[in-house]
Amino acid sequence: GAGVSQSPSNKVTEKGKDVELRCDPISGHTALYWYRQRLGQGLEFLIYFQGNSAPDKSGLPSDRFSAERTGESVSTLTIQRTQQEDSAVYLCASSSGTVTEAFFGQGTRLTVV
Amino acid sequence: EDQVTQSPEALRLQEGESSSLNCSYTVSGLRGLFWYRQDPGKGPEFLFTLYSAGEEKEKERLKATLTKKESFLHITAPKPEDSATYLCAGTTGGFKTIFGAGTRLFVKA
Repeated sequence: GAGVSQSPSNKVTEKGKDVELRCDPISGHTALYWYRQRLGQGLEFLIYFQGNSAPDKSGLPSDRFSAERTGESVSTLTIQRTQQEDSAVYLCASSSGTVTEAFFGQGTRLTVV
Repeated sequence: EDQVTQSPEALRLQEGESSSLNCSYTVSGLRGLFWYRQDPGKGPEFLFTLYSAGEEKEKERLKATLTKKESFLHITAPKPEDSATYLCAGTTGGFKTIFGAGTRLFVKA
């Protein structure tokens, strides 16, 4: 596609359930980022993938969070046993290199009830 | 600890009233300083990348500058359509990009 695509755009889940968020980056982009943005806040770094290198997971807030990326394609962010504090917009971005502009998706708005 | 701090949190301007947004950073081995614009309900949109102190870039009414400790986004004669949140981000030596909390700009006609 022409841009970064995220699905679903909205997700409402019950506390304690697992959720999986998907990101389709721009074709050919080697770098992929996940960020969390709480209402009225800035972007909180979660995880960074670059090519076939080991991902930088230093921003994942707990072991309930995990992410995978197959090669230079789709990435999934999984949150297990969701809590109300996980409610936020989860943004995915991709870029063609390590210090180049990132292109963001529209985000997945997660609401945990 | 790598950190990016933006000020002010919010800025209200009259149309045509020029001003500047500040981004101070402590980022180990800074590889690049980025400015993005974010409209409500959307993902951030790229504006500028600055790589070294003294560098400046311009686009329409916006001009970004970089020193060794901070970056400024100057807005000249803003229009209501410039209203948005402006985000600053730094890429570390380890290629992780961290964002500031943003400055919410409101421009009144």
